[in-house]
Amino acid sequence: DTEVTQTPKHLVMGMTNKKSLKCEQHMGHRAMYWYKQKAKKPPELMFVYSYEKLSINESVPSRFSPECPNSSLLNLHLHALQPEDSALYLCASSQGANLNTGELFFGEGSRLTVL
Amino acid sequence: AQKVTQAQTEISVVEKEDVTLDCVYETRDTTYYLFWYKQPPSGELVFLIRRNSFDEQNEISGRYSWNFQKSTSSFNFTITASQVVDSAVYFCALSELNTGGFKTIFGAGTRLFVKA
Repeated sequence: DTEVTQTPKHLVMGMTNKKSLKCEQHMGHRAMYWYKQKAKKPPELMFVYSYEKLSINESVPSRFSPECPNSSLLNLHLHALQPEDSALYLCASSQGANLNTGELFFGEGSRLTVL
Repeated sequence: AQKVTQAQTEISVVEKEDVTLDCVYETRDTTYYLFWYKQPPSGELVFLIRRNSFDEQNEISGRYSWNFQKSTSSFNFTITASQVVDSAVYFCALSELNTGGFKTIFGAGTRLFVKA
């Protein structure tokens, strides 16, 4: 079983909806990540949180808004999405900068469909 | 800039055959980490192995082996006596420590089909 839990597993939303994806880990990791994966493509980095602070934003549109309430939780707030945003959104965690060698632990992902 | 190339898009083998997945990377850093991840149809990426840039020792783990060669910037992955359960997409990845944390980029992936 994965130690990174993502909810919901599936989400269908309209372009005017506001929804959130949630991610939780209890491994004591201090870095958390959001990746976006389109069908038959590799995961693409969106955001990195290090010690609960946003440290990397890969020029992601503002309709995606990340939030890290505490070291175990990571949210991705969605608003006014476009159909091309439909994808598998993967959350990952790692021990944290300067502490580890970058190995990522992934959740099973949230499959998002925007109508 | 970082780059990872997996030239093989899809590979199809018959069970018990050996198969090698190729990975070539580019980086300007002297300290970096290389990974292989497996993504089965369920979607979760599963970590298989990590190699740091200072450790060129090859590694064997059961039916899996990895060949890291800095001289050719390659980190190839061999599955010996493949099994149907090995069918998945395999990603090679490169990680570097930036000021904001570890930044990991993935190659395009190689889809492996193992037929019974």
